[in-house]
Amino acid sequence: EIVLTQSPDTLSLSPGEGATLSCRASQSLTRSYVAWYQQRPGQPPKLLIYSTSSRATGIPDRFSGSGSGTDFTLTINRLEPEDFAVYYCQQFGRSPITFGQGTRLDIK
Amino acid sequence: EVQLLESGGNLVQPGGSLRLSCAASGFRVSDYGLTWVRQTPGKGLECVAGISGDGGNTYYGDSVKGRFTISRDNSKNTLYLQMNSLRAGDTALYYCAKNQRFLEWSPVDSWGQGTLVTVSS
Repeated sequence: EIVLTQSPDTLSLSPGEGATLSCRASQSLTRSYVAWYQQRPGQPPKLLIYSTSSRATGIPDRFSGSGSGTDFTLTINRLEPEDFAVYYCQQFGRSPITFGQGTRLDIK
Repeated sequence: EVQLLESGGNLVQPGGSLRLSCAASGFRVSDYGLTWVRQTPGKGLECVAGISGDGGNTYYGDSVKGRFTISRDNSKNTLYLQMNSLRAGDTALYYCAKNQRFLEWSPVDSWGQGTLVTVSS
């Protein structure tokens, strides 16, 4: 099983700042098979990024993804109040499909 | 607008069975794979099962293989999850989700609100 480890567990920032969230895989991943989701309290997850760097429909360009091999990053520029949520990475290149444990982005 | 409405969640005893349903609308259901994802506070998110647009291919997470069966009826725009031999560890909020592609596994780009399954004596 590919284990995805996200860091940090919690990130406290202020609106307007930038955020960098990390997802490290226990084995090398194909870029096509890495996605990122956002989950706000009481809501289901929402697809942000697929294929490492492609934004899903309706996702603002403040969100960007990058990475290769075992290291992948979600970057959020100019944090808006609605961006404070939990973020998950996912890999579906090898069975079983796995998610990271999540990074909580809190308002400082 | 894509809508996914889950039903069937309930309290069930260990060893029991339950069938979840998901009514899909707002898109051509047969063009997309569908997935069941569950979430618990302790174990986070887990892809339980997925099925391709035509039902010909399926995916199961390791923890449910041999116990759960995913199926779909495109004529009724409905996804199912038959859960047998339920365990306490299956307790979770179960989401129905639309895949981004026809395949049984791909990113999921729409989610329902979830249905709660509790396995307890």
